Amino acid sequence: ILNVEQSPQSLHVQEGDSTNFTCSFPSSNFYALHWYRWETAKSPEALFVMTLNGDEKKKGRISATLNTKEGYSYLYIKGSQPEDSATYLCALRGLGNEKLTFGTGTRLTIIP
Amino acid sequence: DAGVIQSPRHEVTEMGQEVTLRCKPISGHDYLFWYRQTMMRGLELLIYFNNNVPIDDSGMPEDRFSAKMPNASFSTLKIQPSEPRDSAVYFCASSFRGSSYEQYFGPGTRLTVT
Repeated sequence: ILNVEQSPQSLHVQEGDSTNFTCSFPSSNFYALHWYRWETAKSPEALFVMTLNGDEKKKGRISATLNTKEGYSYLYIKGSQPEDSATYLCALRGLGNEKLTFGTGTRLTIIP
Repeated sequence: DAGVIQSPRHEVTEMGQEVTLRCKPISGHDYLFWYRQTMMRGLELLIYFNNNVPIDDSGMPEDRFSAKMPNASFSTLKIQPSEPRDSAVYFCASSFRGSSYEQYFGPGTRLTVT
């Protein structure tokens, strides 16, 4: 069983501030790392897929980095806006596996 | 494409009744996943299919749960008999190899068993 951990569980950030949170996973069984954004009462929406050590992906004000050797990924949000309020999930795809193992998410609330 | 389609969006039923949830994956996707979301356990994988064949059903909680995929465009998740503890949001997702197995989620079915 793959163990994917996310921290913190929840986060309150003032509008305009930048923030980041972490996803940790077993580095010995890694194939790809996915990030999803999940707004309340909606379904998870894919943000990034990363496979290579040192990968950096960016979409607007949101970016992510990947360190497969030490088993972590960071998600950064620059200049937080109220619409960034959501739960951010990371998910690991292990070697030889098509399924994703999800973390429990970081619930982000932006305070206007 | 319309995305992953799930029906019904909401289902309220009495304990002991049979419940059937339906999913239509994105055309061309050859993987289909059923998830359950609860406050206690987050998003948990129940079962997934590849080319209509069940690959891993180790997440199915018990014999009351069953899933089928009779063709590439349709899958069902059935609970019989239903119990109050089955109340949750059930998501269906689909993916294919060409998208790095990125999963596209449906809107979910909110099930309430009274």
